[in-house]
Amino acid sequence: DTAVSQTPKYLVTQMGNDKSIKCEQNLGHDTMYWYKQDSKKFLKIMFSYNNKELIINETVPNRFSPKSPDKAHLNLHINSLELGDSAVYFCASSQTKASGRVGVRDEQFFGPGTRLTVL
Amino acid sequence: GQQLNQSPQSMFIQEGEDVSMNCTSSSIFNTWLWYKQDPGEGPVLLIALYKAGELTSNGRLTAQFGITRKDSFLNISASIPSDVGIYFCAGQHPSKLTFGKGITLSVRP
Repeated sequence: DTAVSQTPKYLVTQMGNDKSIKCEQNLGHDTMYWYKQDSKKFLKIMFSYNNKELIINETVPNRFSPKSPDKAHLNLHINSLELGDSAVYFCASSQTKASGRVGVRDEQFFGPGTRLTVL
Repeated sequence: GQQLNQSPQSMFIQEGEDVSMNCTSSSIFNTWLWYKQDPGEGPVLLIALYKAGELTSNGRLTAQFGITRKDSFLNISASIPSDVGIYFCAGQHPSKLTFGKGITLSVRP
């Protein structure tokens, strides 16, 4: 009964490689997100998709390219990996866009994370 | 950009004690959320607050949405060892979630 799942859990790779992280949610949510958590545990949003449409792109290098084949999946592809890309990447989903409208219940639910280590 | 302030970075309490955590912002948020993260896991939603002044409980947890919409607090009563973890506040407005830096809670048995 997993809600938001990510694969792989751990990813170790060399600088310069290209890698992908997959995310799936079975909650029937319309919106999915990618967050990066650095070594100091700071969580920062990278991307958000609503019904396969990109709605948030937080000045992330264009080496990062999210792809949403359907609203239950949001994959993250990273080209030419750099040392600074090492972090834990979390996928999340919510019923609606994180509009922040007063009284609208659009809580985000997170996956277990993918620890990326670039050597 | 919007920033949320959580301090101190770490808290150490004795099992059975109550603990309170604050979160403040320079910006107004329409929704405040509190998450807990265990080692090797993703953040788990504890409490969501939708209206200024709202006070909400979830078991031993109580959280309040500040009247100014720029702050929130989380109380944990009668702490137990499994309360250890990182507690994040997050504000939602207008179209994304902004997280605080988290408070690492340690509970001594």
